[in-house]
Amino acid sequence: GIQVEQSPPDLILQEGANSTLRCNFSDSVNNLQWFHQNPWGQLINLFYIPSGTKQNGRLSATTVATERYSLLYISSSQTTDSGVYFCAALSNDYKLSFGAGTTVTVRA
Amino acid sequence: EAGVAQSPRYKIIEKRQSVAFWCNPISGHATLYWYQQILGQGPKLLIQFQNNGVVDDSQLPKDRFSAERLKGVDSTLKIQPAKLEDSAVYLCASSPLGFYETQYFGPGTRLLVL
Repeated sequence: GIQVEQSPPDLILQEGANSTLRCNFSDSVNNLQWFHQNPWGQLINLFYIPSGTKQNGRLSATTVATERYSLLYISSSQTTDSGVYFCAALSNDYKLSFGAGTTVTVRA
Repeated sequence: EAGVAQSPRYKIIEKRQSVAFWCNPISGHATLYWYQQILGQGPKLLIQFQNNGVVDDSQLPKDRFSAERLKGVDSTLKIQPAKLEDSAVYLCASSPLGFYETQYFGPGTRLLVL
């Protein structure tokens, strides 16, 4: 399957700060998704974005498929943004691979 | 709209014992997924069902794991016999059709094998 690498592994933010999370993938993809796992373990789809840019409130994501990376932007971070952010890549033979995640801690 | 339901929420067993997990997806969702999430790692897809047929079970350790989705609705995942390395959270998710749509996740079942 596709190798998915996320960086940084950990991120500590002050409330109100902006941040960028990166996801690199090793091969061309059918689909690229971003998820948020809250401190209680609930996993939520944020975006599915095989290419281009999407925005949802304070979050936005950009995937540059030709260069095999995707970025997740968090603006004006809030304590509720804390948790682990995963990206997952769907290969052309429909295998879904997750990265190891970026743990975000937002401090009040 | 009710979300994805899973039970039990927690389970502690000894190695070599058997265990089963249950998942009820969102009503009308054709696709159901089981994932294994080991502490500190991302989820790993174990099996994907489309209605009651298996789409992908390439990462399911079939010597000890089995899953079924009778009548294309709820599903059970079984481990028999369990090993220490099976300690993980088992997540169930569903989507209306497949990977090109949003997956909705259940709360997970935390398994500890002693």
